[in-house]
This record gives sequence, C-alpha cells and structure tokens, in this order.
Amino acid sequence: KQEVTQIPAALSVPEGENLVLNCSFTDSAIYNLQWFRQDPGKGLTSLLLIQSSQREQTSGRLNASLDKSSGRSTLYIAASQPGDSATYLCAGYNTDKLIFGTGTRLQVFP
Amino acid sequence: DGGITQSPKYLFRKEGQNVTLSCEQNLNHDAMYWYRQDPGQGLRLIYYSQIVNDFQKGDIAEGYSVSREKKESFPLTVTSAQKNPTAFYLCASSPSGTVNSPLHFGNGTRLTVT
Repeated sequence: KQEVTQIPAALSVPEGENLVLNCSFTDSAIYNLQWFRQDPGKGLTSLLLIQSSQREQTSGRLNASLDKSSGRSTLYIAASQPGDSATYLCAGYNTDKLIFGTGTRLQVFP
Repeated sequence: DGGITQSPKYLFRKEGQNVTLSCEQNLNHDAMYWYRQDPGQGLRLIYYSQIVNDFQKGDIAEGYSVSREKKESFPLTVTSAQKNPTAFYLCASSPSGTVNSPLHFGNGTRLTVT
C-alpha cells in the first residue's frame, strides 16, 4: 500500500529563514506531484504541480522538485514570512489514484 | 471569480439522520471529487466523477452517496450507515480528471454528528 510521509510534521522558524519541506512515497512509481497549502479551517490551495514530464516547478519564493527514482519531493520556501504560516501537503499520482501526505504544519514568527 | 463553493460551512446533525453537503463549481471542470479529512490522516477519496451522470467509488465510499446530474454540481449525502461521519469534507474539481490535471478545492464543510 502506497504511503506518504512528510517531514517534519511541524516546524517553527523566525521570519527570513529559508526552509525545506520533505515528502516521501513508499512506492517510487509517482507520475506527478502537487503541493498544497491549507490554512486552518479552510480548503487546500494549489501551490505547484510537477507534471509527469518535469522535475521541478517554481513560483515566486517557492520551488518544488521531484525525484522519481527515489519517490521524494522537496518544497523550498525562500525568505519565509509570517504569512507563510499554514499546513503544507503533498499529493502524488500513483497508478490511478492521488495519494495525500498528512502535512507539515509551519509557523513563521516575526 | 471562478471557484468551488461548498455549503454550509458548518453542519450539525443527530445520529441516524441523512445529510447532504453541497458542492458547486463555475470553473467548467469535467471532474469533481469528494474527500474526507480527519486529524492526523491524509485526505481520503470518497467518490469522484469524471463526467456528468457518471461517478465512481473512492477508497471510503461506504455510507456515502453522490449524484452528478449537472456539470456544475456534485452533492454528497452522508447516510446513517456511515459509522463515523464527523469530519471535514472537501470538494475538489479538475479540468479533465487526467493525471496531469491540477486539483482545485472548495473551503470545506465541517460536519458534526452527535
């Protein structure tokens, strides 16, 4: 059974730090990967989608990469801000279904 | 603005009652999904639909039912057969339902059954 681990589960950092969030699949047969942000009590907002033909995607201060050989993805957040505080979830397509991680809860304090 | 609207935001029901959660999208997306989110667990797929008048069971469909009579609407009914219905329910859509089609989510409905 495909499982997704996100490390760390929680992270608290001062404003301005560069961060790396990790996502790891037990079965490395991942076609693509999407990173989401979830604010408390809200739905998920799509941040980046790494499609099956790509290895990474960038949007502003965010960069996500996918290593299909190992089934690992990282989300890099540059120059973190208090507004980045949220839970970050990864989700990957394995055969015919999308599998979600349990998230990394990030707090950025001023 | 295009998006996905879930209503209501909070829903309270007594055990044994059926309840229907609304999901409407104006993104002209073909595919729609229902997920359940519980603390400490990843999102789990309940039902999905890739086209009007067709839908498929997800991983945890027991105790739930759906319909897809219109492209814009995908309501979810939580029946009394669902043993642990209290959860946060998320509706999502994607342009085509294919592997590289990004998911867009609504803001969720928190259902509490007592």
